[in-house]
Amino acid sequence: NAGVTQTPKFQVLKTGQSMTLQCAQDMNHEYMSWYRQDPGMGLRLIHYSVGAGITDQGEVPNGYNVSRSTTEDFPLRLLSAAPSQTSVYFCASSQPTRKAYNEQFFGPGTRLTVL
Amino acid sequence: LAKTTQPISMDSYEGQEVNITCSHNNIATNDYITWYQQFPSQGPRFIIQGYKTKVTNEVASLFIPADRKSSTLSLPRVSLSDTAVYYCLVGGGNKLTFGTGTQLKVEL
Repeated sequence: NAGVTQTPKFQVLKTGQSMTLQCAQDMNHEYMSWYRQDPGMGLRLIHYSVGAGITDQGEVPNGYNVSRSTTEDFPLRLLSAAPSQTSVYFCASSQPTRKAYNEQFFGPGTRLTVL
Repeated sequence: LAKTTQPISMDSYEGQEVNITCSHNNIATNDYITWYQQFPSQGPRFIIQGYKTKVTNEVASLFIPADRKSSTLSLPRVSLSDTAVYYCLVGGGNKLTFGTGTQLKVEL
């Protein structure tokens, strides 16, 4: 299993440009999520999905869109990039059970710089 | 979501046992306590999870007192490679709340 994969690893955008960060998992997990991590801070939840066709907002959703058409993929879209979106983005997936309630598997991250 | 409080940083030496305590006074009855580890330029990695008393795996131990208002992650005989940020999370399910974590630095 590849686990959670993210592409690209690095990206530089100009203000106003759009792009999609890709996330895929091969563990057949129902739950997927996107986080951003700014320097010296913990991870903040952007959007999450509890299954194909179902998405919801997290703590910092403004400026980001998501969709979940398949169990495997959960892309994150920036429609008009802003310098405040410069960050490292992590995708995660999990299969919530009573035992492994919070065990999420994280991807390697995408480092995004918006000029 | 239960708020957690943990030390910002800790220093240790190789071979020592490290204990990182996390406070979570408003933990809910159904909440689990989970610890993650994050190395620079990597995503967080699950370390251990527990509900009450003590849990041990090949990496760490987790001690949870009866009132569950705090928990302690114990790393036995740390090495340089244990230098990382450690996050304590409580409850959440579909919404994990990561605090700033504890930066553990292990030296020779």
